[in-house]
Amino acid sequence: QVQLQESGPGLVKPSETLSLTCTVSGGYINSYYWAWIRQPPGKGLEWIGYISFSGSTNYNPSLRSRLTISLDTSKNQFSLRLTSVTAADTAVYYCARSGVGGIMFDYWGRGTLVTVSS
Amino acid sequence: QSALTQPPSASGSPGQSVTISCTGTSSDIGRFDYVTWYQQHPGKAPKLVLYEVTKRPSGVPDRFSGSKSGNTASLTVSGLQAEDEADYYCSSYAGGNSFHVAFGGGTKLTVL
Repeated sequence: QVQLQESGPGLVKPSETLSLTCTVSGGYINSYYWAWIRQPPGKGLEWIGYISFSGSTNYNPSLRSRLTISLDTSKNQFSLRLTSVTAADTAVYYCARSGVGGIMFDYWGRGTLVTVSS
Repeated sequence: QSALTQPPSASGSPGQSVTISCTGTSSDIGRFDYVTWYQQHPGKAPKLVLYEVTKRPSGVPDRFSGSKSGNTASLTVSGLQAEDEADYYCSSYAGGNSFHVAFGGGTKLTVL
């Protein structure tokens, strides 16, 4: 059974960089696509982007200029880096496995709340 | 890319059927058969219940079914049970000039 676990700071200051890591267990990261999705408190889901097993990426156009998703196959992890954050980036951040080319997400982490505040 | 449109709420009594709609455009739902539905209980991560419009992952009861007509997709939950009470989100591939996955705003399903 594939399991995903997000980790990283729960509080980030405005204008700084949000960095999260997702550790995958029960499966190898060098197959499938791996995604980040976020959910502001009390609101709906927003697709952030994905990285494939080969390292190719696709990002939400609204975040592309601030976003980097990377892969570390030696640690079975993938990471998210979002620069110049504002309060609008406050959300629960989920990592997920994509079973169909980055389009649908069949395994999810439990999510981690990141608050942007000074 | 715009979000997909879902009704904010839906409800039904145990044993009844409820259908939740998800309206997009000819650039997403109308163009691709990549509509996905997720169930989310409070404080939990979303769970995949349908993908590619009608396909159910292993373990999802056949009470959950999906369809699509034009730019609108639908999720039907038959034989409602108390544990079906949750938020439901649709999503669709919205490719074109660039790869994108659009989500709906979510529908709160209440089992009366």
